[in-house]
Order: sequence, then structure tokens, then C-alpha cells
Amino acid sequence: AQKVTQAQTEISVVEKEDVTLDCVYETRDTTYYLFWYKQPPSGELVFLIRRNSFDEQNEISGRYSWNFQKSTSSFNFTITASQVVDSAVYFCALSEAEGFQKLVFGTGTRLLVSP
Amino acid sequence: ETGVTQSPTHLIKTRGQQVTLRCSSQSGHNTVSWYQQALGQGPQFIFQYYREEENGRGNFPPRFSGLQFPNYSSELNVNALELDDSALYLCASSLPYSEGQGSPLHFGNGTRLTVT
Repeated sequence: AQKVTQAQTEISVVEKEDVTLDCVYETRDTTYYLFWYKQPPSGELVFLIRRNSFDEQNEISGRYSWNFQKSTSSFNFTITASQVVDSAVYFCALSEAEGFQKLVFGTGTRLLVSP
Repeated sequence: ETGVTQSPTHLIKTRGQQVTLRCSSQSGHNTVSWYQQALGQGPQFIFQYYREEENGRGNFPPRFSGLQFPNYSSELNVNALELDDSALYLCASSLPYSEGQGSPLHFGNGTRLTVT
């Protein structure tokens, strides 16, 4: 069975601090996808990144970066120089890499960025 | 490109009643998924529709049912509502992996259902 664990329930930082959100996953699949979604107060889940299990290259997109380590089954997300607009709940998710996308989500990490 | 739209935004129902939630998928997407998100939790997969057929279901009882229409829009129906059904219901559309690389799920804003 697939499982995603986000051990950090809530993180509070001051603007311009760097913050890392942790994600640990479990799966028996040899190929799978990992995702990060952002959920602002409006409720919509905003897609941030999808990573194939064969691609362990870290990725950077502006202030966002992702560290995928298959050896530790982790897919951590770092926000550099955080801003108030980054305040949201962030979800890590996992799906098998064939057929249809059925995501298994973690319980989310609430990030509060204060000015 | 039109995104995923859901209606209504909010809904209040009484225990035992029935409810229908609606979703229009993003242009070009032929797969629709429904998720239930209880307060403080991550979304839980309810079921998924591909070309008007249910092709996967999570751990939800039969009183949760759905439809997908030829234009790929979808409905989620819940019968005999229970207090625990109170949640945010999220619809997402996508393309399956079988169609090229597929696409990430794109979610709507959700319908917040309160059962009293």
C-alpha cells in the first residue's frame, strides 16, 4: 500500500527565512510519481511539481527547490527567502506511474509566513 | 484555457438527505477524479471516471456514486448523508498516463458540504 507522511503539522517563519517541508513516502511500485501541491485559503489545490521516480535530479524553480532522495524515500521541498504569499497548506502526494492518476496525499504542512 | 469549475461553492444539508455536486473539467481533459478532504486532513480519493466509465474507486461506501457526461463534466452524488460527510469535495481533471505523459491533476476550488 502507498503512504505519504508529512511529519510537520505547522511551521512558522518570518519573511525572508528559508524553510524546508519534509515528505517521506512508502510504495512497493518500482515506478511512481511524486507531487507537491499548495492549498491557499481559497481551497483550490495548486500543482507545483511532478517528479518521476526515475529522475532523481533536484529541481529549482525560482524560490522553490525540491530534493528527491530515493534511498531515503524522501521528497523535500524548500522555499528560499519566504514571502507572506507563501502562507498556505502544502501537500505531498504519490501515484503509480501507469494507468490513471490516483493520488495518495499526506496530511499536509501548514506554513505561516509573518512579515 | 478554462480551468476546473465546481458548483455549488457551499452547501448545507441535513442528515439523511441526498446531495449532487457538479464539476466541469479543464478543456481537453477526459478524466475526472473526486476527492474528499476533511478538515485538517489531506484529500482522500473517492473515485475516477474516464470516458464516462468509473475506472477506480477508493474506500468509500456505495452511497457515494458518480457520473461522467460526454462533454467530460461530472457529478458526485451522496445519498443518506451522515455528519461525517461534512468536508470539502474536490474535483480534478487530467489526461491518463496512457495518453502520452498524461498530465498532473488540476483541481477546482471545491464544494464545502456541511451536514447538520
